[in-house]
Amino acid sequence: DVKVTQSSRYLVKRTGEKVFLECVQDMDHENMFWYRQDPGLGLRLIYFSYDVKMKEKGDIPEGYSVSREKKERFSLILESASTNQTSMYLCASRSQGVRRDTQYFGPGTRLTVL
Amino acid sequence: QQQVKQSPQSLIVQKGGISIINCAYENTAFDYFPWYQQFPGKGPALLIAIRPDVSEKKEGRFTISFNKSAKQFSLHIMDSQPGDSATYFCAATYHSGGYQKVTFGTGTKLQVIP
Repeated sequence: DVKVTQSSRYLVKRTGEKVFLECVQDMDHENMFWYRQDPGLGLRLIYFSYDVKMKEKGDIPEGYSVSREKKERFSLILESASTNQTSMYLCASRSQGVRRDTQYFGPGTRLTVL
Repeated sequence: QQQVKQSPQSLIVQKGGISIINCAYENTAFDYFPWYQQFPGKGPALLIAIRPDVSEKKEGRFTISFNKSAKQFSLHIMDSQPGDSATYFCAATYHSGGYQKVTFGTGTKLQVIP
């Protein structure tokens, strides 16, 4: 079974804090993704990585950065958290080698910024 | 052009009824159409998917109907059960620069009442 784990289920941070969200997958997937999920807006792609040390901006990268130093780990960084970054954050991974392979999601981290 | 429009935003169905969720797209480069199911507190998980050269795909009580000329596809849940209560996302994928890209619909929250 593919397993994608996220470091925290719930996080509460204060405005201006630096926040790290960690994601680890155990299936040797090349591709990893960070989404945020908000009611009525669905899943919006923040950043993705096709391989180690590679990163690409998604649809809403402003205020975020990412790091992928190892294949299994993809980190999302909020440099200076703001209240409008309160959201559910979902990490996903997929295999690059299978053309129509699905994405496998972690359980999500619900971040509240006060 | 990368959007996938999903409706309705929420749906209440009686147990045993048919749940229908619709999605529409514009980009003819989309080449795979997965549906994801998300239970509260969990990440989305692949439910069923269809290729554009197929008009219908059925897996148990779940059926995707695909109309290529109308650029529409829908999820039908037959004999809906309270355990089907979840949020459903349609998605569409395409390939660009050798990599898969995914666009998600905004989600439909389904409630099946006994």
